[in-house]
Amino acid sequence: SAVISQKPSRDICQRGTSLTIQCQVDSQVTMMFWYRQQPGQSLTLIATANQGSEATYESGFVIDKFPISRPNLTFSTLTVSNMSPEDSSIYLCSVAPPGLAEETQYFGPGTRLLVL
Amino acid sequence: SQQGEEDPQALSIQEGENATMNCSYKTSINNLQWYRQNSGRGLVHLILIRSNEREKHSGRLRVTLDTSKKSSSLLITASRAADTASYFCATRTGGGNKLTFGTGTQLKVEL
Repeated sequence: SAVISQKPSRDICQRGTSLTIQCQVDSQVTMMFWYRQQPGQSLTLIATANQGSEATYESGFVIDKFPISRPNLTFSTLTVSNMSPEDSSIYLCSVAPPGLAEETQYFGPGTRLLVL
Repeated sequence: SQQGEEDPQALSIQEGENATMNCSYKTSINNLQWYRQNSGRGLVHLILIRSNEREKHSGRLRVTLDTSKKSSSLLITASRAADTASYFCATRTGGGNKLTFGTGTQLKVEL
């Protein structure tokens, strides 16, 4: 298993500003994922972040809007840039630990973002 | 697009009753997983069923998979108030680790 923490847990931001969300894992993992969950909705994958390579973005998400860093095997950041009220969501990071458990994912507690 | 559609969207039952949630998906899968989310927090993995399996049990959970109908069901027996949460199915396809989540079922278990 893996224990994941996220910072901040929640924030209220003004439109036009940017917020960087941090994700820390207690073990080394190759693959980390960033999801968005809009109010009352399911999870949508934003991008997959592998250490040592550029993040892979899903359709509808672009690097300029959601730049991701992955400096080592235990840490990643997601920045929500030039925010608008439509970006109000819960942002979750997850990991797929190596080995047999790789098929499942472990999730952080999420960052609840409100954009005014 | 969403891989999984779940029904019902919301379910309210009394403690001690069984709860059944259904998930349908569109393409061939490697496995299907169920996750629980409490009050907009992080998701917790419950159970995984592979494409060559038809039924799996874990405690009070029973999952079935019908690949011919591209559907799965999650049964929670003898429900408890603590089971109140949103439940999501997620499918894994191809050789990658990407999961595609369903629309979710909000379960409320009342005392």
